[in-house]
Amino acid sequence: GDSVVQTEGQVLPSEGDSLIVNCSYETTQYPSLFWYVQYPGEGPQLHLKAMKANDKGRNKGFEAMYRKETTSFHLEKDSVQESDSAVYFCALIPNTNAGKSTFGDGTTLTVKP
Amino acid sequence: KAGVTQTPRYLIKTRGQQVTLSCSPISGHRSVSWYQQTPGQGLQFLFEYFSETQRNKGNFPGRFSGRQFSNSRSEMNVSTLELGDSALYLCASSPLAGGYEQYFGPGTRLTVT
Repeated sequence: GDSVVQTEGQVLPSEGDSLIVNCSYETTQYPSLFWYVQYPGEGPQLHLKAMKANDKGRNKGFEAMYRKETTSFHLEKDSVQESDSAVYFCALIPNTNAGKSTFGDGTTLTVKP
Repeated sequence: KAGVTQTPRYLIKTRGQQVTLSCSPISGHRSVSWYQQTPGQGLQFLFEYFSETQRNKGNFPGRFSGRQFSNSRSEMNVSTLELGDSALYLCASSPLAGGYEQYFGPGTRLTVT
């Protein structure tokens, strides 16, 4: 079946640091890729998306490039802020079996002031 | 527009009982998906409904079932509750079939004792 792997369970950068949160995926079908962000006590919110290879999703200074050759969709930001602290989930939807989303286990981002 | 609402927000049940959770999607959204979120397993896809039809189903036992009504509201039922069913159950609505732009509710926290 499909899978999404986020290698870091938690990252602890300081404010102003650059950030990379890793996401790798595996599927036999051509997927759309997503990053969701979840704040305490809330459901996940769509953060950014990329629908096909070489698309770049962007939102609030975060970027993620859909790389088909390396099956990756890493989340990056040049300079993190304390308000970015949250749990980030990488997810895929296979375009040929739309509706069956697969999420990674999540990466908790805690930005130190 | 009002967001996705889920009722109840918190629920405590005893092993062996059954439970029904409710989800009201954003007005105009016809797709509703359900997820189980646990600390160890992340977000696991349960099923997606679109226009009252189940389009996709995740790898959960038959004790987990759902339905969607003509007004797009959805219910999820879990029968013969087990301790391992304790989780946050999230509902997400989307204007499109396939869940490409999902808007999550705050979830129902189910505790099974």
